[in-house]
Amino acid sequence: AQSVSQHNHHVILSEAASLELGCNYSYGGTVNLFWYVQYPGQHLQLLLKYFSGDPLVKGIKGFEAEFIKSKFSFNLRKPSVQWSDTAEYFCAVNAGNNRKLIWGLGTSLAVNP
Amino acid sequence: EAQVTQNPRYLITVTGKKLTVTCSQNMNHEYMSWYRQDPGLGLRQIYYSMNVEVTDKGDVPEGYKVSRKEKRNFPLILESPSPNQTSLYFCASRRTSNGANVLTFGAGSRLTVL
Repeated sequence: AQSVSQHNHHVILSEAASLELGCNYSYGGTVNLFWYVQYPGQHLQLLLKYFSGDPLVKGIKGFEAEFIKSKFSFNLRKPSVQWSDTAEYFCAVNAGNNRKLIWGLGTSLAVNP
Repeated sequence: EAQVTQNPRYLITVTGKKLTVTCSQNMNHEYMSWYRQDPGLGLRQIYYSMNVEVTDKGDVPEGYKVSRKEKRNFPLILESPSPNQTSLYFCASRRTSNGANVLTFGAGSRLTVL
């Protein structure tokens, strides 16, 4: 069965630290990849997405993610986090002809000022 | 403004008292879906609809019903709520034509069943 694994469940960083959140999926064919963010008390919103082309994708608020097909990974990165990045981050994958999104369990990020 | 609107945002009810959570979108999206979010379990899909009068079960449909009589509306019905349905519920929608799942989410409905 297709699955998405987010390695870090809880991450605590200080402001200006670099961030990398891991996401791996299990599917060998064509995929669409997403990172969604949920700020405290708010709904989920799209952070960035990969459909095809350049595997390094840039999203909102300085986030980026790199699709590495050989590693089945789509890790999220940000060089310098801010307190306002405190949120829950979800990786999701749409695999092949199955239009259903498979979700990771999420990573809770807390950034200390 | 393009949005998905859910109501109510907060609800406390008692076991067995039927309730409906409404969801409406103004983007003419074909696809709509309901999720529940629970700590440590992430997002789990309850039901989804590919278009009017077409609904399908998601991963956790037990205890829920949906209907899609109009394109813009996708209500979630709990006929006899139980405490294990206490959760945060999200409605979401997207177009189906482009084959890519960029979902627009509602603000969420926090339900407590006593």
